[in-house]
Amino acid sequence: EVQLVESGGGLVQPGGSLRLSCAASGFTFSNYWMTWVRQAPGKGLEWVANIKQDGSAEYYVDSVKGRFTISRDNAKNSLYLQMNSLRAEDTAVYYCARGGATLYIWGQGTMVTVSS
Amino acid sequence: DIQLTQSPSFLSASVGDRVTITCRASQGISSYLAWYQQKPGKAPKVLIYAASTLQSGVPSRFSGSGSGTEFTLTISSLQPEDFATYYCQQLNTYPYTFGQGTKLEIK
Repeated sequence: EVQLVESGGGLVQPGGSLRLSCAASGFTFSNYWMTWVRQAPGKGLEWVANIKQDGSAEYYVDSVKGRFTISRDNAKNSLYLQMNSLRAEDTAVYYCARGGATLYIWGQGTMVTVSS
Repeated sequence: DIQLTQSPSFLSASVGDRVTITCRASQGISSYLAWYQQKPGKAPKVLIYAASTLQSGVPSRFSGSGSGTEFTLTISSLQPEDFATYYCQQLNTYPYTFGQGTKLEIK
């Protein structure tokens, strides 16, 4: 079964850091672009970042550039999102998804709350 | 960034109704558009990609059309399981923005 499982969310203070992980199974992870999308409570979807199969290209939404870093470890079938200098407006459910454009497979999401 | 505006934002309809949701882009995006369905507490699910191609396993009552700046998602005969929030997403230019969503509720 094709599956994506996010982890690493939690409560963090403003200015703090958090690293999200996404474990992939049931498909050849290294063949696919991967994407992070977030959704603030009660709000719509926001595309955050994506990364090429070999990690040689990354793209970000302006609001996270310089603060968030997407990465992957194909040997571990894992996708990551390192989030630094977190702000209250980063509070959201973070989803990882398979695909660099259309997002065909999604994880269940992990909640990140930025609050003092 | 390319802005996507969905209309309406809220839609009340009955089982069996035909409904259409529109997604307008602030600049031309050819056919680089996808539609997703999201139910409360769940991850989104892709319905349509490349503006009009039905994703495998999605019922044929869903259809998409359009190109350039105007796109539509049509559900030909609403079923109880279709009451959800729908999002369009442009895949033409980074960042790959989403529309604000259309919440489809039972009348």
